[in-house]
Amino acid sequence: AQTVTQSQPEMSVQEAETVTLSCTYDTSESDYYLFWYKQPPSRQMILVIRQEAYKQQNATENRFSVNFQKAAKSFSLKISDSQLGDAAMYFCAYRSDPNFGNEKLTFGTGTRLTIIP
Amino acid sequence: DVKVTQSSRYLVKRTGEKVFLECVQDMDHENMFWYRQDPGLGLRLIYFSYDVKMKEKGDIPEGYSVSREKKERFSLILESASTNQTSMYLCASSLWTGKLNEQYFGPGTRLTVT
Repeated sequence: AQTVTQSQPEMSVQEAETVTLSCTYDTSESDYYLFWYKQPPSRQMILVIRQEAYKQQNATENRFSVNFQKAAKSFSLKISDSQLGDAAMYFCAYRSDPNFGNEKLTFGTGTRLTIIP
Repeated sequence: DVKVTQSSRYLVKRTGEKVFLECVQDMDHENMFWYRQDPGLGLRLIYFSYDVKMKEKGDIPEGYSVSREKKERFSLILESASTNQTSMYLCASSLWTGKLNEQYFGPGTRLTVT
């Protein structure tokens, strides 16, 4: 079974600075999909960014980017120009090569990010 | 916008009660999921469903059952609630559009069993 590890339970960053959240995973599969989800306080969880394992190019969504190191099984999230609205719990998630009817996500334990004004 | 709603934000039940948690999505999604979220454990999948009347066990199905009689509604049932089922329960749905399709989450139900 796949496992996802987020080794930083809490992190903090000064507003406008850059922060990197780490995520490692364990798998024997060659094709899979990785996600970062964000859960703001008392609000619904939303997708931040996603990456296909067979793509070497790191995904980017505005101020959010990933550093995907397939050999190291690492999928870190970089947030540039941190804003107060980035304060949230961030979850890394893994999905095996899915078929219709099998879209199970395996989540890490989360990193709580605090933004310091 | 996709909307996933859950019947209650907060729920307090007594040990041994039968508990129903309801989830409704309004975007005709095939897939629906129930997770529980606990500090230090992240999200763990309880059950999921990829079609009406279809269900699959997740990682922690013990003590839970589910029902999906209509495409838009997915219910989680605690047959006899126990204190170790005190948790945040999250419902999610997704549309099969390919391998990177995202899951859309509801606001969660914080269940306390006393």
